[in-house]
Amino acid sequence: GAVVSQHPSRVICKSGTSVKIECRSLDFQATTMFWYRQFPKQSLMLMATSNEGSKATYEQGVEKDKFLINHASLTLSTLTVTSAHPEDSSFYICSARAGGQREAFFGQGTRLTVV
Amino acid sequence: GNSVTQMEGPVTLSEEAFLTINCTYTATGYPSLFWYVQYPGEGLQLLLKATKADDKGSNKGFEATYRKETTSFHLEKGSVQVSDSAVYFCALRGAGNQFYFGTGTSLTVIP
Repeated sequence: GAVVSQHPSRVICKSGTSVKIECRSLDFQATTMFWYRQFPKQSLMLMATSNEGSKATYEQGVEKDKFLINHASLTLSTLTVTSAHPEDSSFYICSARAGGQREAFFGQGTRLTVV
Repeated sequence: GNSVTQMEGPVTLSEEAFLTINCTYTATGYPSLFWYVQYPGEGLQLLLKATKADDKGSNKGFEATYRKETTSFHLEKGSVQVSDSAVYFCALRGAGNQFYFGTGTSLTVIP
């Protein structure tokens, strides 16, 4: 199957700093990428959907100025958590879908800890 | 709205035991249903899926049947192996192609 690589897999940062998470589709062109977040003992929740070259569409309750999503190429999307706080500590995972396809492929996720 | 409720874990089984992980859903319309598996350090991988009522998805000895009358999609395997240790996510894909996930169930199989 198609491969989606997410980096880093774990990151610890200080409160107030920004963290960037990368999501790459390695062997296909991802016209659409999705970012999810999972808090302990809760479901994976969709944060935003991004189409290459367009602004991301954020789900209700997700602050777009805090979670900056860039999808500037067909193989790379980035999520930047700005001015991180301990409550942003979570598991973030991306998925990518090729144009015209319904199947989406997932990265391995990033465990963010803000101290 | 759409939501998925999944059996809480963690689940610990001995090798060759029978596995059931319960999953029920609420949805508008007729969603497709999925089971994803996440092995340690890897991304979510599609395990099996079913796109309409009474469909049975199967892969690697795992099975799940789309039951519209009970709004369920329980995952089963007759004889688990140590290599099946992973986190399993039940999910539905709604009309807008968005996925809705359960909380995930961690399975550990001991020799």
